[in-house]
Amino acid sequence: EAQVTQNPRYLITVTGKKLTVTCSQNMNHEYMSWYRQDPGLGLRQIYYSMNVEVTDKGDVPEGYKVSRKEKRNFPLILESPSPNQTSLYFCASSLSGWGARTYEQYFGPGTRLTVT
Amino acid sequence: TQLLEQSPQFLSIQEGENLTVYCNSSSVFSSLQWYRQEPGEGPVLLVTVVTGGEVKKLKRLTFQFGDARKDSSLHITAAQPGDTGLYLCAGGDSGGGADGLTFGKGTHLIIQP
Repeated sequence: EAQVTQNPRYLITVTGKKLTVTCSQNMNHEYMSWYRQDPGLGLRQIYYSMNVEVTDKGDVPEGYKVSRKEKRNFPLILESPSPNQTSLYFCASSLSGWGARTYEQYFGPGTRLTVT
Repeated sequence: TQLLEQSPQFLSIQEGENLTVYCNSSSVFSSLQWYRQEPGEGPVLLVTVVTGGEVKKLKRLTFQFGDARKDSSLHITAAQPGDTGLYLCAGGDSGGGADGLTFGKGTHLIIQP
């Protein structure tokens, strides 16, 4: 089954404790992206990746890191989480980078992160 | 940054009624997508429109892209409880950059049985 998986689905952590949220897709998609979704603010892009070893900042990259060492995986790293990073996070992938806007983005099920 | 404004933010209607939700911007988009998101899940694509004036139908849902490619609407005929969800519009940058989609904040739709 074509899908994007994220782990963990739920995470409660404390300020400053490094964490990684994994994302994997099995559709051989080139383009992958991370979003956060907050009430009243909608979905905002954190980082995206056009292909392996190619990543770039989205609208809200501060406090986050990503890597794309393999085509299927795109982990999101919070080196020193803070309470303002409490949010619902979505990973997404699509077939292509250029012209990605016209391609369907497949979203993962989300990771609900709480930083205390 | 291009912005997309969706209206209304919240809409609660009875089963069987018709409704329209809107997605507006002052910017031109190369394409516009509509997604539906249910609680506890990620958004799922409903449709992509790419040509100004384009109309697409998906069963009881009708999507329209404005002539100037700055706005879009979603019309639902005879709404059903299964249509309940968060409807998001997302625009593709017409500037040629590969920086992903710009999402509106969404319309929360509740269809009461």
